Amino acid sequence: DTEVTQTPKHLVMGMTNKKSLKCEQHMGHRAMYWYKQKAKKPPELMFVYSYEKLSINESVPSRFSPECPNSSLLNLHLHALQPEDSALYLCASSQVGLSIYGYTFGSGTRLTVV
Amino acid sequence: KQEVTQIPAALSVPEGENLVLNCSFTDSAIYNLQWFRQDPGKGLTSLLLIQSSQREQTSGRLNASLDKSSGRSTLYIAASQPGDSATYLCAVNTSGSRLTFGEGTQLTVNP
Repeated sequence: DTEVTQTPKHLVMGMTNKKSLKCEQHMGHRAMYWYKQKAKKPPELMFVYSYEKLSINESVPSRFSPECPNSSLLNLHLHALQPEDSALYLCASSQVGLSIYGYTFGSGTRLTVV
Repeated sequence: KQEVTQIPAALSVPEGENLVLNCSFTDSAIYNLQWFRQDPGKGLTSLLLIQSSQREQTSGRLNASLDKSSGRSTLYIAASQPGDSATYLCAVNTSGSRLTFGEGTQLTVNP
């Protein structure tokens, strides 16, 4: 299995809602990432997990809360989001440190905050 | 701080043409460089990965080169097809846990 699976593919939520994005991989990768991508822009790094521990938080607002329950699963919990948080959220995975295989990205979750 | 630039920002070519996409980076101390393809509203598909010790990688009609000392990489697409239309992103790995992306080249191949 060489895929990163993200669910749901689309999500519409109100500013008072609580929702979660899910990401799963079975490639044995021990580094997992959340990226945010606005239209016509490159992906921006949000969080990095290495061996199930948060290693990088790119000063992301606390309304985004990541969680890595095990080596295959990565969640992003959303609460009290703003309309400007509407974007494509991408999950990625890789080997920890230098990787001869690079990064594998999921197909993303298109989030709309109303 | 690593900065990645891609030229051109957009490119429109007739089907069958060979083309080159350019990527430049400011810090030559990289681990590897990865080229991705992104279709509208979709995720990133990895095309080629070049390690810092390599000069080029090939996959089918795609060839990527790396000149680390000059901070440049090119993606060559041979015999372009309408299905190649997408945004192509160059990403540089300088720390093992962080990719720095260029702004991308939006490619349109006209039938």
